[in-house]
Amino acid sequence: DAGVTQSPTHLIKTRGQQVTLRCSPKSGHDTVSWYQQALGQGPQFIFQYYEEEERQRGNFPDRFSGHQFPNYSSELNVNALLLGDSALYLCASSWLTGGYSSYNEQFFGPGTRLTVL
Amino acid sequence: RKEVEQDPGPFNVPEGATVAFNCTYSNSASQSFFWYRQDCRKEPKLLMSVYSSGNEDGRFTAQLNRASQYISLLIRDSKLSDSATYLCVVKGAGTASKLTFGTGTRLQVTL
Repeated sequence: DAGVTQSPTHLIKTRGQQVTLRCSPKSGHDTVSWYQQALGQGPQFIFQYYEEEERQRGNFPDRFSGHQFPNYSSELNVNALLLGDSALYLCASSWLTGGYSSYNEQFFGPGTRLTVL
Repeated sequence: RKEVEQDPGPFNVPEGATVAFNCTYSNSASQSFFWYRQDCRKEPKLLMSVYSSGNEDGRFTAQLNRASQYISLLIRDSKLSDSATYLCVVKGAGTASKLTFGTGTRLQVTL
């Protein structure tokens, strides 16, 4: 059973460029959340997608946008890259409709390490 | 003030030592609490959930004090393989609620 996969693993961009990161959730999961982890910090919630809609959003500017496809995979797009966008971008999947539970564990992918020069 | 605060460490302890990590959270509406483990340049992985009654998983014991908004993790008989960053995580109400992470506490277990 494949876990959460992300592509690419590493990416180098220059300021002002745009980037698209991709995530495939764990089999059976329907919800994808994206997090940004800067060096020495904990992951920060960007947004969450369920049923192809953005359900929750963290404190990130509109330059960060996303999409979820019918097969539950997701993309994170960042426009007008800044040096401060350099970070590890983590995708996490979970099973929102998996039944009544106070917590449906979020499984993280290995991340995409983005460097903005 | 950060929503979840942790001592970043690092904590350097010898094998076999007992080490404790603490964490405080600011949102009293938080409903669920966890410790995640993150190895260097890897993704976070769930170590254990934390319950008000306290819970234990082998050498790991987690405690929650809702009144003080305080979470702890105790590791007994530390192993070299325990070296990692331990992230304190809180979640709001609802199955879809986001996870809020602390900055993490780095543990280095030495011979």
